[in-house]
Amino acid sequence: GAVVSQHPSRVICKSGTSVKIECRSLDFQATTMFWYRQFPKQSLMLMATSNEGSKATYEQGVEKDKFLINHASLTLSTLTVTSAHPEDSSFYICSARDPAAIITGELFFGEGSRLTVL
Amino acid sequence: QQQVKQSPQSLIVQKGGISIINCAYENTAFDYFPWYQQFPGKGPALLIAIRPDVSEKKEGRFTISFNKSAKQFSLHIMDSQPGDSATYFCAASSYGGYQKVTFGTGTKLQVIP
Repeated sequence: GAVVSQHPSRVICKSGTSVKIECRSLDFQATTMFWYRQFPKQSLMLMATSNEGSKATYEQGVEKDKFLINHASLTLSTLTVTSAHPEDSSFYICSARDPAAIITGELFFGEGSRLTVL
Repeated sequence: QQQVKQSPQSLIVQKGGISIINCAYENTAFDYFPWYQQFPGKGPALLIAIRPDVSEKKEGRFTISFNKSAKQFSLHIMDSQPGDSATYFCAASSYGGYQKVTFGTGTKLQVIP
């Protein structure tokens, strides 16, 4: 199947700093990518839908100024956690749809990024 | 609002046994029901998916049973193996899976030798 790469896999930062997480589709062009947040032993919560060349669509309750999403190309979306605080510590996962797989609707997920804010 | 309810929260099955995970949904617009498998520290991976025009889909040891009238679907893992130990999420979306995916709460499966 299609490959989605996420970087970094782990990041530790101090409170108040900003952290950028990259999500790349390696062998396909993704017009739409999705960003999820997962707390320990919990489900995936959709944060926002990232569309190439346009503004992201955020889910209710997600602060768009806190979680900046940029989808500048068909293979790259970035999530920047601004002025991170300990409560932002979580597992962030991106996903993308391969247009060639659009009939199946399959989402391909990255490996996730574990953010720890001290 | 939790649109996809999943049970049980955790499950312990003997090697060779059958693992059964159940899900129920509310939104009748949902028309694509995938199951994802997630290992610790990894992103989810699609296991098997079904559309409501069929009542059952089987791929190897994994089977989805779908009951449209009851708005329920379940995952059966036959001949469960220790390597199947993972967290399983059911999910649902509409427009053939093109719309955003709503995940269930997850089931942590442990298969013991």
